[in-house]
Amino acid sequence: GENVEQHPSTLSVQEGDSAVIKCTYSDSASNYFPWYKQELGKGPQLIIDIRSNVGEKKDQRIAVTLNKTAKHFSLHITETQPEDSAVYFCAASWDMDSNYQLIWGAGTKLIIKP
Amino acid sequence: GAGVSQTPSNKVTEKGKYVELRCDPISGHTALYWYRQSLGQGPEFLIYFQGTGAADDSGLPNDRFFAVRPEGSVSTLKIQRTERGDSAVYLCASNNGLAGAEQYFGPGTRLTVT
Repeated sequence: GENVEQHPSTLSVQEGDSAVIKCTYSDSASNYFPWYKQELGKGPQLIIDIRSNVGEKKDQRIAVTLNKTAKHFSLHITETQPEDSAVYFCAASWDMDSNYQLIWGAGTKLIIKP
Repeated sequence: GAGVSQTPSNKVTEKGKYVELRCDPISGHTALYWYRQSLGQGPEFLIYFQGTGAADDSGLPNDRFFAVRPEGSVSTLKIQRTERGDSAVYLCASNNGLAGAEQYFGPGTRLTVT
């Protein structure tokens, strides 16, 4: 079955610097890759997603890149701010119409140092 | 508007007891999802309702777990004969039921089985 690995488990960056979180997946049939942000005491919130027919997608300070050949995708956050501190999860699915059947990574705790 | 709410926020119970966890979805959302999140992991899908019926219950781990949504709005997740391994945060999410629509998560119920 599908497996998603996420690195690093913890990432500490200086406010204003960029942060990069990387994920790899095992099932080449996967075609939908969302990223979620989870703040303490809250449920996950979708922040950006990408489909397998697209190599890169940007939304203001966040961007996701996808390399289908290598089966990895990454989240990039530029000009980090204190409110970016949270746990970030990547996920993969072979069917974006059934986006509840996601295989999730283990999460990355992002710490923004003032 | 109001988001997804879950009650209680925390529940401590003894091994072997029965518990009920409640989810109030966003008003008008026809689809409702239950997930379980263990410490340091992403959410694990349990069950998905479309209206009053369970459209996919393939994630329920065993017959001790059951969920209902009798009027197509509020849902209750029921766990019988609780075990220590059931300890986790139980998340609920809802959306408009359209294929691939974003899910909106509640804050979760933290269940601790002693």
